[in-house]
Amino acid sequence: DIQMTQSPSSLSASVGDRVTITCRASQGIRNSLAWYQQKPGKAPKLLLYAASRLESGVPSRFSGSGSGTDYTLTISSLQPEDFATYYCQQYYSTPPWTFGQGTKVEIK
Amino acid sequence: EVQLVESGGGLVQPGGSLRLSCAASGFTFSSYSMNWVRQAPGKGLEWVSYISSSSSTIYSADSVKGRFTISRDNAKNSLYLQMNSLRDEDTAVYYCAKVASSGWHFDYWGQGTLVTVSS
Repeated sequence: DIQMTQSPSSLSASVGDRVTITCRASQGIRNSLAWYQQKPGKAPKLLLYAASRLESGVPSRFSGSGSGTDYTLTISSLQPEDFATYYCQQYYSTPPWTFGQGTKVEIK
Repeated sequence: EVQLVESGGGLVQPGGSLRLSCAASGFTFSSYSMNWVRQAPGKGLEWVSYISSSSSTIYSADSVKGRFTISRDNAKNSLYLQMNSLRDEDTAVYYCAKVASSGWHFDYWGQGTLVTVSS
């Protein structure tokens, strides 16, 4: 099974800050990577897929990059509504599809 | 508007059974693969099971293989998860999630239903 290692597990940031979250796969996943945002008590929400494609309706301050085994989610200017937990997910080949352990973005 | 509404969660004793349902609307249910994903209290997301649009292909996580069965009824726009031999570690919020048309990622999720396994 492909393991996903996400870092950091949590971070504190201020409104307006640039935030970067990384996700490393245990083997190459050919950009088969999605990023989700989850707020407390709510379902996850798709932000990006195919490593860098922005889901419709998601603000352009969210961006994704990477290749092979290493991927990054960047929030260019953190907004109050962005404080949440973020998960990466690989969907390369057949299941099991696996998630990173999550990154909690908190207010500094 | 795509809607996924889970139901059927509750409190069950270890070794017991429960059947979850997910009612879909706002899209052509019979054309899309579906999944169940769970989240234990305070923990991360865990993929549980996948079913193709025609039910011809099914995958399940090793942690639930032989105990959980995913199924669907396209005529009723519904997805199911039959859970048998439940264990304490199955306690979680269970989400149904729709596979996107542009890849295997999940573009819509339900609000979740809580399953608590406890004596």
